[in-house]
Amino acid sequence: AQSVTQLGSHVSVSEGALVLLRCNYSSSVPPYLFWYVQYPNQGLQLLLKYTSAATLVKGINGFEAEFKKSETSFHLTKPSAHMSDAAEYFCAVKRGQAGTALIFGKGTTLSVSS
Amino acid sequence: EPEVTQTPSHQVTQMGQEVILRCVPISNHLYFYWYRQILGQKVEFLVSFYNNEISEKSEIFDDQFSVERPDGSNFTLKIRSTKLEDSAMYFCASTQDRDHEQYFGPGTRLTVT
Repeated sequence: AQSVTQLGSHVSVSEGALVLLRCNYSSSVPPYLFWYVQYPNQGLQLLLKYTSAATLVKGINGFEAEFKKSETSFHLTKPSAHMSDAAEYFCAVKRGQAGTALIFGKGTTLSVSS
Repeated sequence: EPEVTQTPSHQVTQMGQEVILRCVPISNHLYFYWYRQILGQKVEFLVSFYNNEISEKSEIFDDQFSVERPDGSNFTLKIRSTKLEDSAMYFCASTQDRDHEQYFGPGTRLTVT
C-alpha cells in the first residue's frame, strides 16, 4: 500500500535561508507524488507534482523537489525563504495506479522569521 | 480562475443529526473527491466519484456516509447520524482526469456537539 512520511512536524527558518521539507514514500508501483501547501483558512494548493518524467520538478513560488528512487524520497526545497512561505506543507502520493485518490502525510508547518 | 467552492464554511450540529456538506466542483472536471482532516491529524481520503458512481472509497467511508451529484454542478456529502468523532474539516476536490492534479476547496469545518 502507498504511504508517505513527512519528517519534522515543524520547521523554522530565517528569511532568506534555505527551506528543506522532507518526505519519504512507500509505494508498490511507480509513484505519482505531490506537494500541496495550505495557508491559514484556505484549501490545499498544488505546489508541484512528479509523474515519472524529470526527477527534478519545479513548482510555483520558487519551490522544487527531487525524486530519488534509491532513497524513496521527494524532499521539497526553496533556496531563499520569504515570510509569505509560512504555511503548512503536505506531501502526498497517488493511492494506486488504478486509483486517483491521494494519500497525504501528516504535514509540516513552516515558520519564517525575519 | 475557476475554483472549487464549498458551503457552509462552518457547520455546528448535535450528535445524531444528519448533515449535508455541499461542494461545487470546477465545471469541466469529471472526478470528484471528499477528504477530511481531523484537527492536528493528516488529511484522509474518504471517497471518489466518477461517472455518477463511487469509484473508490476508504475504510472510513462506512454506511453513515453517502455522496450524491444531484444536478450538473453540486456534489454533496451526507452524514446520516453524526458522531463526535466526525468533527473535522471536510475538503472537496475535483480533477479533469485521473492524471491531472486535484483542485481543493477551502473546506467546511464540521463541529459535532
